[in-house]
Amino acid sequence: QKEVEQDPGPLSVPEGAIVSLNCTYSNSAFQYFMWYRQYSRKGPELLMYTYSSGNKEDGRFTAQVDKSSKYISLFIRDSQPSDSATYLCAMNSPYDKVIFGPGTSLSVIP
Amino acid sequence: DGGITQSPKYLFRKEGQNVTLSCEQNLNHDAMYWYRQDPGQGLRLIYYSQIVNDFQKGDIAEGYSVSREKKESFPLTVTSAQKNPTAFYLCASSRGWTGELFFGEGSRLTVL
Repeated sequence: QKEVEQDPGPLSVPEGAIVSLNCTYSNSAFQYFMWYRQYSRKGPELLMYTYSSGNKEDGRFTAQVDKSSKYISLFIRDSQPSDSATYLCAMNSPYDKVIFGPGTSLSVIP
Repeated sequence: DGGITQSPKYLFRKEGQNVTLSCEQNLNHDAMYWYRQDPGQGLRLIYYSQIVNDFQKGDIAEGYSVSREKKESFPLTVTSAQKNPTAFYLCASSRGWTGELFFGEGSRLTVL
């Protein structure tokens, strides 16, 4: 079993839709959870950073962490064509390396 | 503007040749990392460095070497010992052991 699992997609949605992206993980020591966005042929950029369980909202983006289920989610409201990218979940435990999921490819169709 | 600069953006290499990828940061970050990205596999850690003159192997260090002589610079050499070097290479930095990584634009290496 991989440490972090993520559905690779591709996921295609119409503009304005709510998008749900998810990851599961196996290591209960993970405490920091991140979502990175990567446009084609570019480096990833940090989108959301959360500590432990709970929700965090930033504009159209909401990150959720459920440590009891070892499950994290990223919701995108009112999706835009500019949201078309690959979304990578990532996580780590204190003072340890970051583990990335394989990424989910998202296309938002105008 | 602060950031990470990787060069070259695209690189072609013949089998049996070593190649060095450059990574420079002006964010004053202590930690720097090299990742390899292949389709469907996410990012895999090659090497990382927490301080100058010190670096550690990541999960897939075989066939690669690094140096950290300056805080700002962390070059990666892909040696001829790397069996399958064609990939997208990403350099990143962070203030410490956090998940807040800042990435460069990447270098795409193709072995002919």
